Amino acid sequence: DAKTTQPPSMDCAEGRAANLPCNHSTISGNEYVYWYRQIHSQGPQYIIHGLKNNETNEMASLIITEDRKSSTLILPHATLRDTAVYYCIVRANNAGNMLTFGGGTRLMVKP
Amino acid sequence: DAGVIQSPRHEVTEMGQEVTLRCKPISGHDYLFWYRQTMMRGLELLIYFNNNVPIDDSGMPEDRFSAKMPNASFSTLKIQPSEPRDSAVYFCASSSGQAPGRHTFGSGTRLTVV
Repeated sequence: DAKTTQPPSMDCAEGRAANLPCNHSTISGNEYVYWYRQIHSQGPQYIIHGLKNNETNEMASLIITEDRKSSTLILPHATLRDTAVYYCIVRANNAGNMLTFGGGTRLMVKP
Repeated sequence: DAGVIQSPRHEVTEMGQEVTLRCKPISGHDYLFWYRQTMMRGLELLIYFNNNVPIDDSGMPEDRFSAKMPNASFSTLKIQPSEPRDSAVYFCASSSGQAPGRHTFGSGTRLTVV
């Protein structure tokens, strides 16, 4: 699976959009981008995933650049409960069913 | 569905004792994973099963660790003998082959070996 690079930490004001970047410059054509988050003392939680088109669900939006070398997870109106570590993971869907977690981005939403 | 259920939530044991962690996956999921999380090493995959069969155990740190999945609704991770460096949070997760990459995690077991 391709390696990902994320900033170790970010701050966001409550009510504002949180934009979390991820670089995956070695991504292959059959690899998807997945996002998970881990709120303190809980297990990781799936957020969203995509291949090349932008995706949106009730939790977030995923914007993938045209060359697919980077992506951004957008939380449109961050709340204090969105404070968590956010993990960007790249994997091929024919690569078993494994996930490899990196260090993630620690997002702190401040009042 | 109640989600992935792990027990116990917390375990404190003395060095040298046997520890057994338990996991009940989501009904219908055919993949089950055991992860370990520490501050130093982050979240690491230890082993995973497909249809109750171990597929990849390359993450199991040493022979003191063993995992079993006797049926589709139950798995155990055993450490014997336990050591202080095994202290960590152990997560179980399950997923369906129909939605690869979409794992549902349990709440974890916090293990402390003193």
